[in-house]
Amino acid sequence: GAGVSQSPRYKVAKRGQDVALRCDPISGHVSLFWYQQALGQGPEFLTYFQNEAQLDKSGLPSDRFFAERPEGSVSTLKIQRTQQEDSAVYLCASSSSTGTGEQYFGPGTRLTVT
Amino acid sequence: GESVGLHLPTLSVQEGDNSIINCAYSNSASDYFIWYKQESGKGPQFIIDIRSNMDKRQGQRVTVLLNKTVKHLSLQIAATQPGDSAVYFCAENTMEYRNKLVFGAGTILRVKS
Repeated sequence: GAGVSQSPRYKVAKRGQDVALRCDPISGHVSLFWYQQALGQGPEFLTYFQNEAQLDKSGLPSDRFFAERPEGSVSTLKIQRTQQEDSAVYLCASSSSTGTGEQYFGPGTRLTVT
Repeated sequence: GESVGLHLPTLSVQEGDNSIINCAYSNSASDYFIWYKQESGKGPQFIIDIRSNMDKRQGQRVTVLLNKTVKHLSLQIAATQPGDSAVYFCAENTMEYRNKLVFGAGTILRVKS
């Protein structure tokens, strides 16, 4: 069965450019999460959706980061005016649960800002 | 073990030996814990979880131990195989912020054949 997919897998952006990262969760999964993983570190929570509602965006590092999930399935993480410190792997995860439960991660998008 | 490259602690074990990976968690309010395995170029993969009302849970070839007194979690892998080579992360979760996993720094496991 299909797992969580993310696209693109790799993205190189010049500083100041806007980027959009896509996540296709497992079909029917209610919960969707975005994480940022810097090199050599564990993933850090960015934001959480329950269906189309963004219930927690406390981890977004600045107002340049914006996420949406308009129809409760596919989600897009947008970063405006990218900076070098935005370089990281962006991971998406989905879960069938709204409480504790296994989160299934996608392969991530590696963003490099030059 | 010494940190290599990524500045993560590294555990090197011989194939067939048992591995123990340790994690100190930070929040005394955490009541749910998960171990993840992450291979190069892939997202984290769920291994096993444990709730705070337990101190031990076993899976297939893996055992998680929880010591709430000292806020310590360990993952034991029996008969370690080359395919177990990866970075291992513990993650914690609290009832107040049920949607938010907090990951530890990770440990590199290298299995020598």
